[in-house]
Amino acid sequence: AQKITQTQPGMFVQEKEAVTLDCTYDTSDQSYGLFWYKQPSSGEMIFLIYQGSYDEQNATEGRYSLNFQKARKSANLVISASQLGDSAMYFCAMREGRGSGANNLFFGTGTRLTVIP
Amino acid sequence: GAVVSQHPSRVICKSGTSVKIECRSLDFQATTMFWYRQFPKQSLMLMATSNEGSKATYEQGVEKDKFLINHASLTLSTLTVTSAHPEDSSFYICSARGVGDNPNTEAFFGQGTRLTVV
Repeated sequence: AQKITQTQPGMFVQEKEAVTLDCTYDTSDQSYGLFWYKQPSSGEMIFLIYQGSYDEQNATEGRYSLNFQKARKSANLVISASQLGDSAMYFCAMREGRGSGANNLFFGTGTRLTVIP
Repeated sequence: GAVVSQHPSRVICKSGTSVKIECRSLDFQATTMFWYRQFPKQSLMLMATSNEGSKATYEQGVEKDKFLINHASLTLSTLTVTSAHPEDSSFYICSARGVGDNPNTEAFFGQGTRLTVV
């Protein structure tokens, strides 16, 4: 089973509007972290926001907020007041807590966001 | 945030040659480094996990004799693509985590290396 599912291959949003990028996850661990990264055409992975499984409040970082619904296992990214520079690929990722061992990230397939002027 | 530097950012090599990609943590000690591969318009796929001073752990289907990983120090891991072929052309990107990092903290990524084998 896929650990991270992003069902929107592409999304369009009007400049200055808000957009929600969907992400659902699958894990049996109680401790895990959810991440969103932005990948522009240059290829670098830019960290946007993080939500821990035990965090009760939804994470926010500037124009980014994470709508965390634990019971539904969803971690949607909300970008408010979209800007042209937000056009990029967006990846949802999860790290499961396995104690002191290495903890790699599992990535979804990504959503390509295009901001329309 | 912490800085991870990956070099080179772009490389073109002839089929049959080997290519070395470096991943350095510039301002922290990275006990664990991860190497990912990304095909065009696809997601990142984990290739291997390397821990300083020990052998890398490769994901299923990744040839360890072809993709040699060395994590000789707490600030440097290298990926060598040996006897490269056109099908090895891809985007390779590393990430690093620091000493004592909580498992649920950010992984810092290098800038990635676009390898083209001709």
